[in-house]
Amino acid sequence: AQSVTQLGSHVSVSEGALVLLRCNYSSSVPPYLFWYVQYPNQGLQLLLKYTSAATLVKGINGFEAEFKKSETSFHLTKPSAHMSDAAEYFCAVKPGSQGNLIFGKGTKLSVKP
Amino acid sequence: NAGVTQTPKFRVLKTGQSMTLLCAQDMNHEYMYWYRQDPGMGLRLIHYSVGEGTTAKGEVPDGYNVSRLKKQNFLLGLESAAPSQTSVYFCASTGLAGAYNEQFFGPGTRLTVL
Repeated sequence: AQSVTQLGSHVSVSEGALVLLRCNYSSSVPPYLFWYVQYPNQGLQLLLKYTSAATLVKGINGFEAEFKKSETSFHLTKPSAHMSDAAEYFCAVKPGSQGNLIFGKGTKLSVKP
Repeated sequence: NAGVTQTPKFRVLKTGQSMTLLCAQDMNHEYMYWYRQDPGMGLRLIHYSVGEGTTAKGEVPDGYNVSRLKKQNFLLGLESAAPSQTSVYFCASTGLAGAYNEQFFGPGTRLTVL
């Protein structure tokens, strides 16, 4: 069965520091990968998605993710954290073009002033 | 466009009571989903629908029923609520089941069962 593992349920960084949120997937077929963000008391919104056009994917709010097939990873990064980045981030995989999304357990990002 | 809306936003039930959560989308999407979100568990799929009049079970369907009588609406029912159903419920929709098509989420319904 397909699965997604997010390492670290809680990550804390200082404002201006690098943000790195880890996501590893298991997939026997080419995966379709997504990162969603959830701000407090809101629904999820798409940050970025891997479309196979490029291994480095740029998303909204300065986030990007790199697809590494050899490592089965799709880690999310941002060079410089802002206070407004404090939220919960979910990695999700779609096992096949017609499948449903499978979500990781989420990583809550805190940003310290 | 309002996108995906959910009614109600909050609800408190007593064990054994029933209720229906309503999800509506104005994007003419074919696919609709109901998830529950619990701390440390991520989002888990309860039921989904691939079109008007169709429904299917997801990962955690027990204790829930759904209906999709109109394309724009997807209802989630709890016939006899249990404390284990205390959760935040999210509805989502997507236009096509294509590989790269994202799901659009509603704001959620926070349900407490006492």
